[in-house]
Amino acid sequence: QQQVKQSPQSLIVQKGGISIINCAYENTAFDYFPWYQQFPGKGPALLIAIRPDVSEKKEGRFTISFNKSAKQFSLHIMDSQPGDSATYFCAASIRPTRYQKVTFGTGTKLQVIP
Amino acid sequence: EPEVTQTPSHQVTQMGQEVILRCVPISNHLYFYWYRQILGQKVEFLVSFYNNEISEKSEIFDDQFSVERPDGSNFTLKIRSTKLEDSAMYFCASSDERGYTFGSGTRLTVV
Repeated sequence: QQQVKQSPQSLIVQKGGISIINCAYENTAFDYFPWYQQFPGKGPALLIAIRPDVSEKKEGRFTISFNKSAKQFSLHIMDSQPGDSATYFCAASIRPTRYQKVTFGTGTKLQVIP
Repeated sequence: EPEVTQTPSHQVTQMGQEVILRCVPISNHLYFYWYRQILGQKVEFLVSFYNNEISEKSEIFDDQFSVERPDGSNFTLKIRSTKLEDSAMYFCASSDERGYTFGSGTRLTVV
């Protein structure tokens, strides 16, 4: 019940295209859903996050869509660029306070080709 | 911007040896964590630490693992007798109300 399922495992998108990564969770106690971007040899870095009281959050080219009833959320990268090539992890945790244990999805390796 | 610093960036050790991975969390954070990422797999929670004691640990964090905050700035993960399957990236993190910051990781290779 603690799992976060993520798909696809890998994704190849042409420059300028839209990258879409999907995640699903089971534990209804989760109420904070961050996305992390990881470049090779680096730690995960917070990209964007959403709480379940909103259905969408947009920051620049990155948008999270959230469907609370379906327990699903997705990341959309508009106008994908080669510099977006990285591994993306969806994640979930229980309302962040000073303490927050993060449950990660399995990751999506995104490659944006020119 | 404040960073979580981890050393070394890469450690190679022989099976059965003890290793200590070191982290300097962000100075005003009070919660500290270790995560592990086996090559090509997801990031997995190992342990969290607050007020000089473990607050939560996963089933991965068995008796071979220990954590310590030996002084006011360092946070360490010790693996007593390394196994081949301990080879992974180990990430330290720290958090406050505003968020969660990961270090760049230590790649541990057990040979």
